[in-house]
Amino acid sequence: NAGVTQTPKFQVLKTGQSMTLQCAQDMNHEYMSWYRQDPGMGLRLIHYSVGAGITDQGEVPNGYNVSRSTTEDFPLRLLSAAPSQTSVYFCASSYTNPQGGTEAFFGQGTRLTVV
Amino acid sequence: KQEVTQIPAALSVPEGENLVLNCSFTDSAIYNLQWFRQDPGKGLTSLLLIQSSQREQTSGRLNASLDKSSGRSTLYIAASQPGDSATYLCAVSGEYSGGGADGLTFGKGTHLIIQP
Repeated sequence: NAGVTQTPKFQVLKTGQSMTLQCAQDMNHEYMSWYRQDPGMGLRLIHYSVGAGITDQGEVPNGYNVSRSTTEDFPLRLLSAAPSQTSVYFCASSYTNPQGGTEAFFGQGTRLTVV
Repeated sequence: KQEVTQIPAALSVPEGENLVLNCSFTDSAIYNLQWFRQDPGKGLTSLLLIQSSQREQTSGRLNASLDKSSGRSTLYIAASQPGDSATYLCAVSGEYSGGGADGLTFGKGTHLIIQP
């Protein structure tokens, strides 16, 4: 099972460039989300989606855009990269079990450096 | 705003010991709590999920408890092994306005080293 797949694994950008981090899941989960992980800050929620066509902002949304046209894909777009966006980015999808618990599954991460 | 704190930040113990990792959260109105493991340079692996109505969950040598009213959870690891060395993260979710779990709020983790 592929689970949650993120591409690329590593990326170096120049300040001002734009790019899209890809995230795909094959578990038919409705809920998907993006986090960034920074030393000393832990993981913080950027954007999330509760289903195709629905997105919302998390704790640190500035500088990022998302869209959700299909259940499987949830790309994260950096509009104009800044050094402050140097981080490790994680995508997650979540499944609500019959008992009502919601479990999150994470991808392997994308390590982004902005120079 | 929900805040999650994990204590200790780092822990080093000899192999075979039982140990407890602590997690506290400021807003008791959570939907569920999840414990993860993260190995260096890797993603997060889900260990245990506790729904807000539950008191504990067990998986193998791991046992997680939840006291929602006091805003605390513990992760108990029995008979620790060198392979348990990793960073352990606690995360809570609130409830999304449309129903279901909201995004996760994470603690900063406990870096655990099990000495052979």
